[in-house]
Amino acid sequence: DSGVTQTPKHLITATGQRVTLRCSPRSGDLSVYWYQQSLDQGLQFLIQYYNGEERAKGNILERFSAQQFPDLHSELNLSSLELGDSALYFCASSPGHRFNEKLFFGSGTQLSVL
Amino acid sequence: DAKTTQPTSMDCAEGRAANLPCNHSTISGNEYVYWYRQIHSQGPQYIIHGLKNNETNEMASLIITEDRKSSTLILPHATLRDTAVYYCIVRVDSGGGADGLTFGKGTHLIIQP
Repeated sequence: DSGVTQTPKHLITATGQRVTLRCSPRSGDLSVYWYQQSLDQGLQFLIQYYNGEERAKGNILERFSAQQFPDLHSELNLSSLELGDSALYFCASSPGHRFNEKLFFGSGTQLSVL
Repeated sequence: DAKTTQPTSMDCAEGRAANLPCNHSTISGNEYVYWYRQIHSQGPQYIIHGLKNNETNEMASLIITEDRKSSTLILPHATLRDTAVYYCIVRVDSGGGADGLTFGKGTHLIIQP
Protein backbone atom coordinates (compact mmCIF):
# COMPACT_ATOMS: atom_id res chain seq x y z
CA ASP A 1 0.00 0.00 0.00
CA SER A 2 1.56 3.27 -1.20
CA GLY A 3 -0.58 5.48 1.02
CA VAL A 4 -2.09 7.25 -2.00
CA THR A 5 -5.85 6.79 -2.28
CA GLN A 6 -7.79 7.12 -5.50
CA THR A 7 -11.53 6.97 -5.93
CA PRO A 8 -13.48 5.59 -7.60
CA LYS A 9 -11.64 2.44 -8.70
CA HIS A 10 -13.87 2.01 -11.74
CA LEU A 11 -16.00 4.48 -13.64
CA ILE A 12 -18.22 3.80 -16.63
CA THR A 13 -19.79 6.68 -18.47
CA ALA A 14 -20.95 7.80 -21.90
CA THR A 15 -19.41 10.03 -24.51
CA GLY A 16 -19.99 13.71 -23.92
CA GLN A 17 -20.24 13.32 -20.16
CA ARG A 18 -18.09 14.83 -17.41
CA VAL A 19 -16.44 12.94 -14.56
CA THR A 20 -14.30 13.77 -11.54
CA LEU A 21 -11.51 11.57 -10.26
CA ARG A 22 -10.27 12.06 -6.73
CA CYS A 23 -6.86 11.56 -5.17
CA SER A 24 -5.70 11.76 -1.56
CA PRO A 25 -1.90 11.94 -1.31
CA ARG A 26 0.24 10.28 1.33
CA SER A 27 0.13 12.02 4.66
CA GLY A 28 2.49 14.97 4.56
CA ASP A 29 3.08 14.94 0.80
CA LEU A 30 2.60 18.32 -0.84
CA SER A 31 2.93 17.36 -4.52
CA VAL A 32 0.31 15.51 -6.52
CA TYR A 33 0.81 14.23 -10.07
CA TRP A 34 -1.76 12.88 -12.52
CA TYR A 35 -0.98 10.30 -15.20
CA GLN A 36 -3.00 8.67 -17.94
CA GLN A 37 -2.24 5.14 -19.14
CA SER A 38 -3.82 3.80 -22.28
CA LEU A 39 -2.84 0.73 -24.26
CA ASP A 40 -1.43 2.66 -27.19
CA GLN A 41 0.14 5.64 -25.39
CA GLY A 42 1.65 4.11 -22.28
CA LEU A 43 2.03 6.22 -19.13
CA GLN A 44 1.59 9.90 -19.93
CA PHE A 45 2.20 12.69 -17.45
CA LEU A 46 -0.73 15.09 -17.33
CA ILE A 47 -0.17 17.68 -14.61
CA GLN A 48 1.47 18.34 -11.24
CA TYR A 49 0.32 20.42 -8.30
CA TYR A 50 2.44 21.50 -5.37
CA ASN A 51 0.80 22.84 -2.23
CA GLY A 52 -2.27 24.01 -4.13
CA GLU A 53 -0.48 25.57 -7.10
CA GLU A 54 -0.02 24.14 -10.57
CA ARG A 55 3.66 23.37 -10.99
CA ALA A 56 4.12 21.47 -14.22
CA LYS A 57 2.01 20.56 -17.19
CA GLY A 58 2.38 17.61 -19.50
CA ASN A 59 0.16 16.24 -22.22
CA ILE A 60 -3.10 17.36 -20.68
CA LEU A 61 -6.00 18.10 -23.01
CA GLU A 62 -7.93 21.36 -22.72
CA ARG A 63 -11.03 19.30 -21.89
CA PHE A 64 -9.23 18.11 -18.75
CA SER A 65 -8.55 20.18 -15.67
CA ALA A 66 -7.29 19.58 -12.19
CA GLN A 67 -6.96 21.29 -8.88
CA GLN A 68 -5.46 20.72 -5.47
CA PHE A 69 -7.42 21.76 -2.45
CA PRO A 70 -6.20 23.24 0.87
CA ASP A 71 -6.35 19.80 2.49
CA LEU A 72 -4.00 18.69 -0.35
CA HIS A 73 -6.36 16.25 -2.00
CA SER A 74 -6.66 16.66 -5.73
CA GLU A 75 -9.34 16.21 -8.34
CA LEU A 76 -9.00 15.59 -12.05
CA ASN A 77 -11.99 16.73 -14.08
CA LEU A 78 -12.56 15.20 -17.50
CA SER A 79 -15.26 16.75 -19.67
CA SER A 80 -16.81 16.20 -23.11
CA LEU A 81 -15.56 12.65 -22.83
CA GLU A 82 -14.60 10.73 -25.95
CA LEU A 83 -14.07 7.03 -26.52
CA GLY A 84 -10.34 7.63 -26.61
CA ASP A 85 -10.35 8.94 -23.06
CA SER A 86 -10.90 5.41 -21.81
CA ALA A 87 -7.80 4.66 -19.79
CA LEU A 88 -6.30 4.05 -16.38
CA TYR A 89 -5.74 7.30 -14.53
CA PHE A 90 -3.09 7.29 -11.83
CA CYS A 91 -2.37 9.80 -9.16
CA ALA A 92 1.02 9.99 -7.48
CA SER A 93 2.38 12.05 -4.62
CA SER A 94 5.76 13.13 -3.30
CA PRO A 95 6.86 15.09 -0.25
CA GLY A 96 7.87 18.27 -2.00
CA HIS A 97 8.97 19.27 -5.43
CA ARG A 98 12.59 18.24 -5.53
CA PHE A 99 13.51 16.55 -8.76
CA ASN A 100 15.03 13.50 -7.11
CA GLU A 101 12.08 12.57 -4.95
CA LYS A 102 10.38 9.23 -5.18
CA LEU A 103 6.86 9.26 -6.52
CA PHE A 104 4.29 7.08 -4.77
CA PHE A 105 1.45 5.97 -7.01
CA GLY A 106 -2.12 5.10 -6.19
CA SER A 107 -3.88 2.05 -7.58
CA GLY A 108 -5.63 4.05 -10.27
CA THR A 109 -9.12 4.74 -11.60
CA GLN A 110 -10.20 2.70 -14.61
CA LEU A 111 -12.34 4.95 -16.81
CA SER A 112 -14.47 3.38 -19.52
CA VAL A 113 -16.24 5.70 -21.95
CA LEU A 114 -18.97 3.94 -23.92
CA ASP B 1 15.24 14.53 -20.37
CA ALA B 2 17.55 12.03 -22.05
CA LYS B 3 15.97 9.22 -24.02
CA THR B 4 16.36 5.63 -22.83
CA THR B 5 16.38 2.35 -24.72
CA GLN B 6 15.35 -0.91 -23.10
CA PRO B 7 14.65 -4.39 -24.45
CA THR B 8 10.97 -5.01 -24.96
CA SER B 9 10.93 -8.20 -22.93
CA MET B 10 13.14 -10.56 -20.97
CA ASP B 11 12.78 -13.91 -19.24
CA CYS B 12 14.49 -14.99 -16.05
CA ALA B 13 14.29 -18.19 -14.01
CA GLU B 14 12.92 -17.95 -10.51
CA GLY B 15 15.69 -17.69 -7.92
CA ARG B 16 18.24 -16.38 -10.41
CA ALA B 17 19.45 -12.80 -10.71
CA ALA B 18 17.54 -10.70 -13.21
CA ASN B 19 19.73 -8.17 -15.01
CA LEU B 20 17.79 -5.48 -16.86
CA PRO B 21 19.82 -3.23 -19.15
CA CYS B 22 19.10 0.36 -20.08
CA ASN B 23 20.89 2.49 -22.62
CA HIS B 24 20.97 6.24 -22.09
CA SER B 25 23.80 7.32 -24.35
CA THR B 26 22.72 10.98 -24.45
CA ILE B 27 22.63 11.38 -20.68
CA SER B 28 24.17 14.57 -19.37
CA GLY B 29 26.14 15.16 -16.20
CA ASN B 30 23.27 16.30 -14.04
CA GLU B 31 20.77 13.62 -15.03
CA TYR B 32 19.80 10.88 -12.62
CA VAL B 33 18.81 7.34 -13.58
CA TYR B 34 15.58 6.07 -12.03
CA TRP B 35 13.93 2.67 -12.11
CA TYR B 36 10.25 2.04 -11.51
CA ARG B 37 8.20 -1.06 -12.11
CA GLN B 38 4.54 -1.70 -12.79
CA ILE B 39 2.93 -4.98 -11.88
CA HIS B 40 -0.05 -5.67 -14.08
CA SER B 41 -2.33 -2.58 -14.05
CA GLN B 42 -1.16 -1.51 -10.60
CA GLY B 43 0.39 1.88 -9.99
CA PRO B 44 4.11 2.12 -10.75
CA GLN B 45 6.44 1.42 -7.85
CA TYR B 46 9.76 3.15 -7.22
CA ILE B 47 12.73 0.79 -7.13
CA ILE B 48 15.97 2.75 -7.03
CA HIS B 49 17.82 5.73 -8.49
CA GLY B 50 21.39 6.96 -8.85
CA LEU B 51 23.67 9.55 -10.43
CA LYS B 52 27.03 7.90 -11.06
CA ASN B 53 27.82 5.62 -8.16
CA ASN B 54 26.36 2.16 -7.91
CA GLU B 55 23.43 1.97 -5.54
CA THR B 56 21.83 -0.84 -3.57
CA ASN B 57 18.70 -1.05 -1.49
CA GLU B 58 16.45 -3.77 -0.17
CA MET B 59 14.85 -4.28 -3.58
CA ALA B 60 17.66 -4.09 -6.10
CA SER B 61 21.07 -2.88 -7.17
CA LEU B 62 21.78 -0.26 -9.80
CA ILE B 63 25.03 -0.46 -11.72
CA ILE B 64 25.91 2.61 -13.81
CA THR B 65 28.81 2.42 -16.25
CA GLU B 66 31.70 4.80 -15.79
CA ASP B 67 30.74 6.83 -18.87
CA ARG B 68 27.13 6.82 -17.60
CA LYS B 69 25.81 5.86 -21.02
CA SER B 70 24.16 2.72 -19.75
CA SER B 71 23.00 1.08 -16.56
CA THR B 72 21.78 -2.28 -15.29
CA LEU B 73 19.12 -2.97 -12.71
CA ILE B 74 19.79 -6.18 -10.82
CA LEU B 75 17.15 -8.10 -8.91
CA PRO B 76 19.38 -10.53 -7.01
CA HIS B 77 16.93 -13.40 -6.44
CA ALA B 78 13.96 -13.02 -8.72
CA THR B 79 10.59 -14.36 -7.60
CA LEU B 80 7.35 -14.80 -9.52
CA ARG B 81 6.11 -11.57 -7.92
CA ASP B 82 8.86 -9.68 -9.75
CA THR B 83 7.08 -10.26 -13.06
CA ALA B 84 6.32 -6.71 -14.17
CA VAL B 85 7.17 -3.96 -16.64
CA TYR B 86 10.38 -2.20 -15.58
CA TYR B 87 10.93 1.41 -16.60
CA CYS B 88 14.30 3.11 -16.83
CA ILE B 89 13.99 6.90 -16.68
CA VAL B 90 16.58 9.65 -16.72
CA ARG B 91 15.76 13.02 -15.21
CA VAL B 92 17.62 16.26 -14.96
CA ASP B 93 17.96 18.47 -11.97
CA SER B 94 16.73 21.61 -13.65
CA GLY B 95 16.88 23.52 -10.42
CA GLY B 96 13.19 24.17 -10.73
CA GLY B 97 12.18 21.10 -8.85
CA ALA B 98 10.37 17.96 -9.81
CA ASP B 99 7.98 17.56 -12.67
CA GLY B 100 6.34 14.53 -14.13
CA LEU B 101 8.49 11.53 -14.92
CA THR B 102 8.52 10.51 -18.58
CA PHE B 103 7.88 6.78 -18.85
CA GLY B 104 8.89 4.93 -21.99
CA LYS B 105 7.77 1.46 -23.03
CA GLY B 106 9.88 -0.35 -20.45
CA THR B 107 10.97 -3.99 -20.31
CA HIS B 108 8.43 -6.68 -19.61
CA LEU B 109 10.28 -9.04 -17.27
CA ILE B 110 8.76 -12.49 -16.99
CA ILE B 111 9.97 -14.72 -14.18
CA GLN B 112 9.67 -18.37 -15.10
CA PRO B 113 9.02 -21.00 -12.40
